[in-house]
Amino acid sequence: DAKTTQPPSMDCAEGRAANLPCNHSTISGNEYVYWYRQIHSQGPQYIIHGLKNNETNEMASLIITEDRKSSTLILPHATLRDTAVYYCIVRVPYYGQNFVFGPGTRLSVLP
Amino acid sequence: GAGVSQSPRYKVAKRGQDVALRCDPISGHVSLFWYQQALGQGPEFLTYFQNEAQLDKSGLPSDRFFAERPEGSVSTLKIQRTQQEDSAVYLCASSLDGAGGNEQFFGPGTRLTVL
Repeated sequence: DAKTTQPPSMDCAEGRAANLPCNHSTISGNEYVYWYRQIHSQGPQYIIHGLKNNETNEMASLIITEDRKSSTLILPHATLRDTAVYYCIVRVPYYGQNFVFGPGTRLSVLP
Repeated sequence: GAGVSQSPRYKVAKRGQDVALRCDPISGHVSLFWYQQALGQGPEFLTYFQNEAQLDKSGLPSDRFFAERPEGSVSTLKIQRTQQEDSAVYLCASSLDGAGGNEQFFGPGTRLTVL
């Protein structure tokens, strides 16, 4: 079973920041937080991951709380192409360790 | 460079038929994973290869499912005597591992419909 909980759906206005929450209260010390997204009819796409420090890349920012029990994925300026299902996953970064996906959050970016 | 590719993209099978789904991982990627995604659900792990060795097949739902990666590159997922409950999208993912990181890169999937 997935070790994360996410809201099933969210809406965001185009051009605004999308803030996607994730709870992972049972995360272990060696588990990272990963975010993937899946656009309709495509495979999941890697977005970002982190251990305890906040992370930023060209796609998004990841904010992890100090106790590591929750995190937020931030898409700073959402576009219509960001409409997708977003998955938050906790995982140890060992070779061969598969991802355990939950149902994710369906983000709809509205014009 | 090219990403993970899968073929066919769509497959329709009659119940009882055997099917073979192909995955071409990113060149040089050591690890290869197969996942099954039912409609409206997140992907679920099926099996894992490190090069040509199948190290984990704990997610395969029955002995009708068989996967191979004989030369450590292309992989094939075979389903024998397909059943309606096998209808799903089958996703393949690969990762470089080592210093290159172990994020998984997914292919577009094969949508299998069993009638």
